Amino acid sequence: AQSVTQLGSHVSVSEGALVLLRCNYSSSVPPYLFWYVQYPNQGLQLLLKYTSAATLVKGINGFEAEFKKSETSFHLTKPSAHMSDAAEYFCAVSYSGTYKYIFGTGTRLKVLA
Amino acid sequence: AAGVIQSPRHLIKEKRETATLKCYPIPRHDTVYWYQQGPGQDPQFLISFYEKMQSDKGSIPDRFSAQQFSDYHSELNMSSLELGDSALYFCASSFRSGTSGYNEQFFGPGTRLTVL
Repeated sequence: AQSVTQLGSHVSVSEGALVLLRCNYSSSVPPYLFWYVQYPNQGLQLLLKYTSAATLVKGINGFEAEFKKSETSFHLTKPSAHMSDAAEYFCAVSYSGTYKYIFGTGTRLKVLA
Repeated sequence: AAGVIQSPRHLIKEKRETATLKCYPIPRHDTVYWYQQGPGQDPQFLISFYEKMQSDKGSIPDRFSAQQFSDYHSELNMSSLELGDSALYFCASSFRSGTSGYNEQFFGPGTRLTVL
């Protein structure tokens, strides 16, 4: 079955440090890939998406992600963490013809002062 | 820009009661999706509608039903509510027509349902 794995349910980084949130998908067919951020008691906001164009995708708030087919990965990075980045991050996949999203279990990012 | 509207934002019900959640998609979007996010969980796909017809079905309990109306808004009806139904329910919309398979979903703020 198609699935999404996010390694690390909780990640802590110091303010100004590199943020790396991992996402791997399990299918032989490359999916469409998305990263969403969810602040407490709020909805899901799209950070960035991969739709089979450029493999390095830049999103909002300084985030970017690189699609690596050989590693079936779509890790999210940000060079310098800010306190406002503290939130839950979800990786999601969608496949051509199905449209529904399959979400990973989420990674809660904590930014330390 | 117009966003997905969900109502109510918060709902408190007793066990065995019924609840109706409403979703108003972004104008010109033809597809609506419903997701359920339990406490500390990832969102789980429930059901979707494309052009007012059920398009895909996920882990939606038989006690739940949904439909999309002629104005494209959608309602999720939940009966015989159980404590485990307490969750955040998201609606998302997209414009699917004419796409080759990729469609970006735009999420609403969610309805938080609490079953006591």
